[in-house]
Amino acid sequence: QVQLVESGGGLVKPGGSLRLSCEASGFIFRDYQMAWIRQAPGKGLEWVSYVDSSGSDMFYADSVKGRFTISRDNAKNSLYLHMSSLRAEDSAVYFCARDQAFGPRLLGFDSWGQGALVTVAS
Amino acid sequence: DIQMTQSPSSLSASVGDRVTITCRASQSISRLSHWYQQKPGEAPKLLISSASILQSGVPSRFSGSGSGTDFTLTISSLQPEDFATYYCQQSYNTPLTFGGGTKVEIK
Repeated sequence: QVQLVESGGGLVKPGGSLRLSCEASGFIFRDYQMAWIRQAPGKGLEWVSYVDSSGSDMFYADSVKGRFTISRDNAKNSLYLHMSSLRAEDSAVYFCARDQAFGPRLLGFDSWGQGALVTVAS
Repeated sequence: DIQMTQSPSSLSASVGDRVTITCRASQSISRLSHWYQQKPGEAPKLLISSASILQSGVPSRFSGSGSGTDFTLTISSLQPEDFATYYCQQSYNTPLTFGGGTKVEIK
């Protein structure tokens, strides 16, 4: 079955960096667009970034543009989010998610990881 | 940016009730609206995609409708396991955006 497992979360100081990883299994990873979505404690869902199936096109929320970088390694079935210049407001659970579409249109995130908690505090 | 305005933000209902949650997009998004259910401590689960496509394994008491700017999620007969928070999301363009959520609580 489809499985997404995030790792790399933790406590980091403001201005610091962190890299999240998401290991995928149970499906042909290279066929799907992948995304990171976050949720601050007690808040709603916020899309962070997504990357197309080949890793060529990346898109970001304005709140993270220039600070976060999404990438993927299709040979390793892995998705990454490199986060730098972290701020307190970046504290959240970060979910890795798969979009169900095969084509360029996004058609809903049908598989999610369990989430990785990132806390930015001094 | 496309804003997704969900209403109500919370509701109280009883088992067996019919529940309707609405989502309004700030511009037309065709049918590119999707609905998720999230329970405390869990990842969201996709219920309905492209306005009305019921995902595999999701009970038929869930249904979705709408196009353009107005979308609806309906639970025909609320069950105990349906108490959760529900989110709409648009994928018409970036930035992808979610509604603020609707918390469905037990009356």
